[in-house]
Parts: sequence; C-alpha cells; structure tokens
Amino acid sequence: DSGVTQTPKHLITATGQRVTLRCSPRSGDLSVYWYQQSLDQGLQFLIQYYNGEERAKGNILERFSAQQFPDLHSELNLSSLELGDSALYFCASSVAPSGFHNEQFFGPGTRLTVL
Amino acid sequence: GQQLNQSPQSMFIQEGEDVSMNCTSSSIFNTWLWYKQDPGEGPVLLIALYKAGELTSNGRLTAQFGITRKDSFLNISASIPSDVGIYFCAGRGYGNKLVFGAGTILRVKS
Repeated sequence: DSGVTQTPKHLITATGQRVTLRCSPRSGDLSVYWYQQSLDQGLQFLIQYYNGEERAKGNILERFSAQQFPDLHSELNLSSLELGDSALYFCASSVAPSGFHNEQFFGPGTRLTVL
Repeated sequence: GQQLNQSPQSMFIQEGEDVSMNCTSSSIFNTWLWYKQDPGEGPVLLIALYKAGELTSNGRLTAQFGITRKDSFLNISASIPSDVGIYFCAGRGYGNKLVFGAGTILRVKS
C-alpha cells in the first residue's frame, strides 16, 4: 500500500458526459501528479500540482482539468468524454515539487470506461 | 521530446530462470527508476538509481545506471510466479519530468 488513495476504483459512463476522479496523496506529500495509462500509449503524464498550484503540464487535453485543494487532495475533471478517453488514470504523490530523491508513489488507479 | 526504448516488450520464462530487461534513452538522465505494476494496481517503485555506474539490489532484483547515463538494466534472479507483471523503467533529466518506458510484460511458467 503506497499510501496514495484514489476513488472511485471503477467508473463507467457514456460519451459526452463529465466525471471527476479523486486522489489523496501520502501523508506529508505536497505534490500530486496525474497520469493516463491506455493500452497503446503507456503511462502518459498529464499534470502536476504542488501545494495547491499547478506546477507542470504534460499531454493534458483541454477537455480535462485538475485542481489541488487546501487539504492537498486533488481532483481530475474529464468532460465531453469520448470513447478514446477510456483508460486507467493514476495519481502519484511526492514530498517536493522537484529535485533529487523526490520519487513518486502511485495510487491504485481509477479505471474509466466510456461507452 | 525525450523517449525511452524499453526491451524486450514481453518475456515468457520458466520459473527459476534469470530475467534481464533494459532501457535506453536518446537523452542523458540523472535518475533511473524501475517500477512494477501488478494487474489492476498502480506501479510500485522497486529500485531507484541516482549515479552513473551505480549498481543497486533489492532482494532478487539488481539494477544498474549505465555509465553513459543513457541506459539502465534490471535483472531478476531465480524468477518465481509472483514476479509476473509489467516492469517499467523511468528516467528523469534535469527537469522534474519523469519519462516512462513502454513496459516489459513478464510471464512465468511454473
């Protein structure tokens, strides 16, 4: 158990809908990262937050957005869902925003299925 | 952008055999990481390497940070059924961005 929690575990929805994925980082970690894992794309970095502020952006679509709240939990919002958005979404956390030995620990993931 | 080439893509080995997989990059990294992902779970950090030439072990797992800083390998000795899963390498350059390899799927015949 990495200490990172994600809810829900599974989510099934329809095209055009909007969903929210939730992540709580490990105790003491201030940085949260979101990744998408699909069969043909591997693990793709989406976005990073540190202490409530956006820190880095990866291959995140404009239909997706995220935020980190004062209690450090984070939410990833996916809207106007398409079939191709079906994937595993992982949250990871680390202590610092960057730097040596600042390793990321992953949550169990949310499996999103868009029908 | 930075890319990692991880090989082999998959392996189907006999229980008790040794396993070797590697990652190469077109860019220099200052950190190499190896993760394992079990079905339906998130990646779990196995070994972290921070110095060129560094050789680190974690039980039956051994990983090395290549001296060119553009490659790393992971060896698993005397494989057992619970070694089944997907192994990912990941590298980090001078920014904080972690780049992942495509993964090596390991299957073990008992």
